[in-house]
Amino acid sequence: EVQLLESGGGLVQPGGSPRLSCAASGFTFSSYAMSWVRQAPGKGLEWLSAISGSGDNTFYADSLKGRFTISRDNSKNTLYLQMNSLRAEDTAVYYCAKGPIAEHPYYFECWGQGTLVTVSS
Amino acid sequence: EVVLTQSPATLSLSPGERATLSCRASQSVDRYLMWYQQKPGQAPRLLIYDASNRATGIPARFSGSGSGTDFTLTISSLEPEDFAVYYCQQRLAWPPLTFGGGTKVEIK
Repeated sequence: EVQLLESGGGLVQPGGSPRLSCAASGFTFSSYAMSWVRQAPGKGLEWLSAISGSGDNTFYADSLKGRFTISRDNSKNTLYLQMNSLRAEDTAVYYCAKGPIAEHPYYFECWGQGTLVTVSS
Repeated sequence: EVVLTQSPATLSLSPGERATLSCRASQSVDRYLMWYQQKPGQAPRLLIYDASNRATGIPARFSGSGSGTDFTLTISSLEPEDFAVYYCQQRLAWPPLTFGGGTKVEIK
């Protein structure tokens, strides 16, 4: 069974730099692209970033303006999102999601339960 | 960026009724359109990929159709567990992968 478990969320000060993690199990992690998607309270879904199975290729939403960095450690079956210069509008539940193939995220076959990041002083 | 517009915003129906949800793209996305279901407090779940293919384990009462700019998700007979928010998502023109704003299917 595919399982994705996010961690690293919580209360963060404006300007903070948390790192989110997503531990994957139940599939060959390196064979699939992975994404981060967020959902602000009461709002819709926003794709943020993706990384190919090998980690060689990364993709970002322009709206992030270079503040977030996606990475993965295939030896640990773990996906990461380094978030910098956080502001109140980054408050959201952050989901990791598994893509259907190795090279491109395309869509989201499986999702973690999400980790809530609250940016507030 | 491809903008997806979902309608209606809210659909009020009774169990057993047919639900028809619409997703319109600002430019053609061919057949590269997905549908997700999200219940309160839960992560989204993939229902349909590439316009009309049901994801693993999705009941046959869910069906998708359309191509180009106009797509439809149909739930043939609503079950109590189908009351949720539904999102469409495109993968033709990316990055970014984009979602629609969602349609809430509520109990009438």
